[in-house]
Amino acid sequence: DTGVSQNPRHKITKRGQNVTFRCDPISEHNRLYWYRQTLGQGPEFLTYFQNEAQLEKSRLLSDRFSAERPKGSFSTLEIQRTEQGDSAMYLCASSLVRITEAFFGQGTRLTVV
Amino acid sequence: GNSVTQMEGPVTLSEEAFLTINCTYTATGYPSLFWYVQYPGEGLQLLLKATKADDKGSNKGFEATYRKETTSFHLEKGSVQVSDSAVYFCALSDLGETSGSRLTFGEGTQLTVNP
Repeated sequence: DTGVSQNPRHKITKRGQNVTFRCDPISEHNRLYWYRQTLGQGPEFLTYFQNEAQLEKSRLLSDRFSAERPKGSFSTLEIQRTEQGDSAMYLCASSLVRITEAFFGQGTRLTVV
Repeated sequence: GNSVTQMEGPVTLSEEAFLTINCTYTATGYPSLFWYVQYPGEGLQLLLKATKADDKGSNKGFEATYRKETTSFHLEKGSVQVSDSAVYFCALSDLGETSGSRLTFGEGTQLTVNP
């Protein structure tokens, strides 16, 4: 399967702990996006990469959030000192430059207790 | 900024009924428009898209026409099936230089189709 892959699918953590999620995009896609989706809402843009460069970050991405894409392939999203309000589905998507169609992974559901 | 407004849900229909889910948008420039579908516990799947005014996107019996004059992209299907039960998201993408192709989504509309 050459779709977008996200790990883990589910994560339960205690408030104050750090968590890291991984996204493996479709191999030839040079753009990679992170979105957050809370219950009953549409996904909200967090950040995106073109190759290894992080080109845009939403104001939603507080200082506790950091994303990397070190070799322009997979990406990680880390949340430090998690809060209950961080509980959400974190979605990754990838696309080709200048192509509008983005393909989404199945998401990582984070629950902070 | 860009925004997408969808009709409020949930929507409950009987099998073989006609479906319309309204979507209107606000955007600068000339966005591309999309409908995504999300099944329980899953990520989003692209259902259809349209990249310019008067384009009609279609897939699996679903259709939507990009109407620039009314800034709308309503989703329709002539005869729904139980398997169409899911959440449907309208979205737009602005290919501006500083925005990549990031998507702006509506709130989503939950569709339930009963046998």
